Amino acid sequence: EVQLVESGGGLVQPGGSLRLSCAASGFTFSSYEMNWVRQAPGKGLEWVSYISSSGSTIYYADSVKGRFTISRDNAKNSLYLQMNSLRAEDTAVYYCARTNDYWGQGTLVTVSS
Amino acid sequence: DVVMTQSPLSLPVTLGQPASISCRSSQSLVYSDGNTYLNWFQQRPGQSPRRLIYKVSNRDSGVPDRFSGSGSGTDFTLKISRVEAEDVGVYYCMQGTHWPPGWTFGQGTKVEIK
Repeated sequence: EVQLVESGGGLVQPGGSLRLSCAASGFTFSSYEMNWVRQAPGKGLEWVSYISSSGSTIYYADSVKGRFTISRDNAKNSLYLQMNSLRAEDTAVYYCARTNDYWGQGTLVTVSS
Repeated sequence: DVVMTQSPLSLPVTLGQPASISCRSSQSLVYSDGNTYLNWFQQRPGQSPRRLIYKVSNRDSGVPDRFSGSGSGTDFTLKISRVEAEDVGVYYCMQGTHWPPGWTFGQGTKVEIK
C-alpha cells in the first residue's frame, strides 16, 4: 500500500524557517517524481515544487522561488521541503504527492507572530 | 500561464440525481505526445485530495463507475451519474500539460446535498 506521511509542520514567526519531511513507503520511491502542493485555510490547491526521480530536475512556483528548497534522499525514501523567509501567506496545509496519483494527509504550517 | 476555470463553484444536488462540473483551460491541453493531461480530484471534508480521473477520461482504481470524465482541447467535464452522500466535497480539475512550471488547478467546485 502506498503511504506518504508528512511531518515537520508547526507555528513559526514571519521570517523564520521550517523543514518539512515526507516519508514514503509501499512503492519504489527512487522511481517516482514527487511534488509539494499546499492549501491555505479554506482555499484551493496550489502547486509548490517538483523534483524528478533522481533529483536532477527541480521546479518551483514563482510564489516560493528563492525561499523554498525541495530535495530528496532516495536511500531513506524521503522527500523534503526547506522553507526559509516564511511569510503569513505561506500558512497552509502542505501535501506531498507522488506524481499526482497519491497524496499524503498533509502537515499544517502556520506563519504568525 | 494556463488558467483553469471551473463552473459552477457551488453545486447543490439531490441524492440519486446527476451532477456535472465544467472545467475550461485558457490554452489547449493537448501535449506534444498526443495526450491530454487533465485530471480530476475529489477532496472530502477534512481529507486530502484523491485523484478520480486522469488524462481526461481514465478512472483511477477503486473509483466508482458513476464518475466519468470527458472533453478535449480546452473544455472538460466531470459527471456523476447518481450522486451519493459520500460524494460530498470539493472537486478540482488540474492540468499537467504545460510543464514547467507546474500543475495548475481550477478553483474547485463544492458539491453538497440539497
